[in-house]
Amino acid sequence: AQSVTQPDIHITVSEGASLELRCNYSYGATPYLFWYVQSPGQGLQLLLKYFSGDTLVQGIKGFEAEFKRSQSSFNLRKPSVHWSDAAEYFCAVGPSTYNNNDMRFGAGTRLTVKP
Amino acid sequence: GAGVSQTPSNKVTEKGKYVELRCDPISGHTALYWYRQSLGQGPEFLIYFQGTGAADDSGLPNDRFFAVRPEGSVSTLKIQRTERGDSAVYLCASSPTGTTTGELFFGEGSRLTVL
Repeated sequence: AQSVTQPDIHITVSEGASLELRCNYSYGATPYLFWYVQSPGQGLQLLLKYFSGDTLVQGIKGFEAEFKRSQSSFNLRKPSVHWSDAAEYFCAVGPSTYNNNDMRFGAGTRLTVKP
Repeated sequence: GAGVSQTPSNKVTEKGKYVELRCDPISGHTALYWYRQSLGQGPEFLIYFQGTGAADDSGLPNDRFFAVRPEGSVSTLKIQRTERGDSAVYLCASSPTGTTTGELFFGEGSRLTVL
């Protein structure tokens, strides 16, 4: 069964600094990978997704993520963090089997942005 | 509506009581999902509907949990004989199709507290 590990429970960065949130997955085949963001009082919103092709994917709000098969990782990055990026971030993996809906989420990383 | 709507946003109940949580998905979305998010954890899959039928209910923890979607739109998650361990945020998501290649659109969740 697939699983997702987000090693960092909480990260604090200064506004304007770069950000990298780690995600490692376990899956027997090439997975579908996602990053979602959950802001206070809002539902989860998709930032970006990887299915195939270019291993560096661009998302909304200036985020990007890189799929590294050899490391089973899908880390999320942003070159310059804004105060509005403070939120909870979830990495998720979905099986590449048609109509299988068992998407697994990591435990999340809470991002705090210092002024 | 414009997004996924969940009611109530907050529910406090006593142990042993019956609870219903409602989800109104985005109009036209055929797939509907229920997830449960416990404190400090990522969303955990409960059940998935494609149209009116439950295509996958493997995530329901026990027979106290049941969900319906009688007309292929609104869904209700029903919890009988609630226990303190049922306290969590229950998330609903919808998708235009039933495959994991698509984005899930989440509601803000219903926070259930069992005293």
